[in-house]
Amino acid sequence: GAGVSQSPSNKVTEKGKDVELRCDPISGHTALYWYRQRLGQGLEFLIYFQGNSAPDKSGLPSDRFSAERTGESVSTLTIQRTQQEDSAVYLCASSATGNEQFFGPGTRLTVL
Amino acid sequence: DQQVKQNSPSLSVQEGRISILNCDYTNSMFDYFLWYKKYPAEGPTFLISISSIKDKNEDGRFTVFLNKSAKHLSLHIVPSQPGDSAVYFCAAIGTSGGSYIPTFGRGTSLIVHP
Repeated sequence: GAGVSQSPSNKVTEKGKDVELRCDPISGHTALYWYRQRLGQGLEFLIYFQGNSAPDKSGLPSDRFSAERTGESVSTLTIQRTQQEDSAVYLCASSATGNEQFFGPGTRLTVL
Repeated sequence: DQQVKQNSPSLSVQEGRISILNCDYTNSMFDYFLWYKKYPAEGPTFLISISSIKDKNEDGRFTVFLNKSAKHLSLHIVPSQPGDSAVYFCAAIGTSGGSYIPTFGRGTSLIVHP
């Protein structure tokens, strides 16, 4: 596809379960970003990949959050032992230039 | 501590009039600024940007103004159209750091009435 895609679009899970969110960036984009947007809040930076390495993980809120990227392409964000405060829209973006980012539609995560 | 602030959570404008969305920042290391537009259930889309070496950038109906001394930027939309109704996010980057991770404001919801 031409744009950034994310799956699933919606995920409802029970507290304590693990979830895995997927991002397919635009082909050729070396930079990949994960953000979280809670209801009524702005975009909160989580992690940034340049190629397959993550030089900046400073935004990950706890050790329950992890992310990886393989083949300079697909990235997965994993949240272990989900909590209700993890409920949010998780957005992925990719970039070629470093300045302008192209966002996917997001995954809406609801933790019951 | 918000480094990028959009103090108006919402703005309502009549079709055909000018919409002015404001953004303030505190970090003097920011030197590149962007505006994104977001419709419900979609990801943000890039709208317009400006480098700190400029004070104005125009693209069709959209103009961004930057006042570095006041650490303030604004997005002007003229004339406003109902299709412009969306949430607008201001973002700032400090490019000297090399990471290009933007800091986003909380967004302003623009409603353009027909």
